[in-house]
Amino acid sequence: EVQLVESGGGLVQPGGSLKLSCAASGFTFSGSTMHWVRQASGKGLKWVGRIKSKANSYSTAYDASVKGRFTISRDDSKNTAYLQMNSLRTEDTAVYYCTRGGDSDSWGQGTLVTVSS
Amino acid sequence: QSVLTQPPSASGTPGQRVTISCSGSSSTIGSNTVNWYQQLPGTAPKLLIYSNNQRPSGVPDRFSGSKSGTSASLAISGLQSEDEADYYCAAWDDSLNGYVFGTGTKVTVL
Repeated sequence: EVQLVESGGGLVQPGGSLKLSCAASGFTFSGSTMHWVRQASGKGLKWVGRIKSKANSYSTAYDASVKGRFTISRDDSKNTAYLQMNSLRTEDTAVYYCTRGGDSDSWGQGTLVTVSS
Repeated sequence: QSVLTQPPSASGTPGQRVTISCSGSSSTIGSNTVNWYQQLPGTAPKLLIYSNNQRPSGVPDRFSGSKSGTSASLAISGLQSEDEADYYCAAWDDSLNGYVFGTGTKVTVL
């Protein structure tokens, strides 16, 4: 069974940093593209970015709203993907989900990030 | 602002057929396949339809997807109370080099 478990969310002040983790199991993590998607309270889904597999040179892509502030990485030996978030803004407050594959066929339960002073 | 436009709401009585539209452009739906996600209240989204019209294992055949040009549609036939949820279309955007979600449609079963 595919499982994705996000962690690392919490309360952070504007301008601060936070690193989210996504622990994966039940599939071949090293061969999978991993995405991060966020959802502000009462709002729709917003793609954050993705990282491809080693075979695809760990290629990354980001939404314009986070480019230069957020970095996606992965550790295939730990079956874990990461989202490093710097220079956080109040508008980054959301539940952050990691998803698997080009079609995002599996989702974690999400982790809440709150940016507030 | 999303580049994929959906109606904010749709509704029907049990047993009816409901259709949700998703309007895009040549760089999104016109060039790439469309996925649909269902988000039940208080839960994470779930993949409902991939590659325009394919259902993952476990998704009832009451759900069907189609695509024509720069638009796509999700149809729910034989509407059931448990179908009450938010539905999102999504596709890759070649211009933005990113994945874009639709604005979302809330389906209510009357």
